[in-house]
Amino acid sequence: AQKVTQAQTEISVVEKEDVTLDCVYETRDTTYYLFWYKQPPSGELVFLIRRNSFDEQNEISGRYSWNFQKSTSSFNFTITASQVVDSAVYFCALSEDAGGTSYGKLTFGQGTILTVHP
Amino acid sequence: DAGVTQSPTHLIKTRGQQVTLRCSPKSGHDTVSWYQQALGQGPQFIFQYYEEEERQRGNFPDRFSGHQFPNYSSELNVNALLLGDSALYLCASSSDGTGGYYEQYFGPGTRLTVT
Repeated sequence: AQKVTQAQTEISVVEKEDVTLDCVYETRDTTYYLFWYKQPPSGELVFLIRRNSFDEQNEISGRYSWNFQKSTSSFNFTITASQVVDSAVYFCALSEDAGGTSYGKLTFGQGTILTVHP
Repeated sequence: DAGVTQSPTHLIKTRGQQVTLRCSPKSGHDTVSWYQQALGQGPQFIFQYYEEEERQRGNFPDRFSGHQFPNYSSELNVNALLLGDSALYLCASSSDGTGGYYEQYFGPGTRLTVT
């Protein structure tokens, strides 16, 4: 069965520090998708990024970057020069293809609470 | 273009009661999934509706049921409420994606408190 583990429960940093959120996943499927979502206090899940299992190219988007490594089943997320507005709960999630029968069902990690202090 | 909407925003119920939560999917989407997010936890998949049928289901008891209407909107019903049902209930909509991928768009959620 699929599983997502976010070992960091809470992270606290001072503004302008870089911060990396860790995510480790388990799946038997060879085709799957990995996501990072942000959940601010309002509660709505905000999509940040999606990665396909066959695309290990890492990406930088503004202050955000992602490091996907299939060899270690990890999909880590880094915020560079953090800001107070980055304070939120961040979730890593996995969606298996399951031969086309998963229909996008998401398995989430427990979440990491990020607090950025001014 | 309206995103996913959910109603009500907040709800307080008593143990043993029944509750109905509602969700309208993003325009153009035909699939609705429901997730339960207990305090301090990640969302857990409840079930998914497509073409007015439950297509797949997570590990939730039969007290949790749903419905999808011809306009693709959906309801989540929970019977015989327990204190442990207190959670944020999130609705996500999607449609068939290229290469089998279904991008989920989430609503703001309904906060259910059971007393």
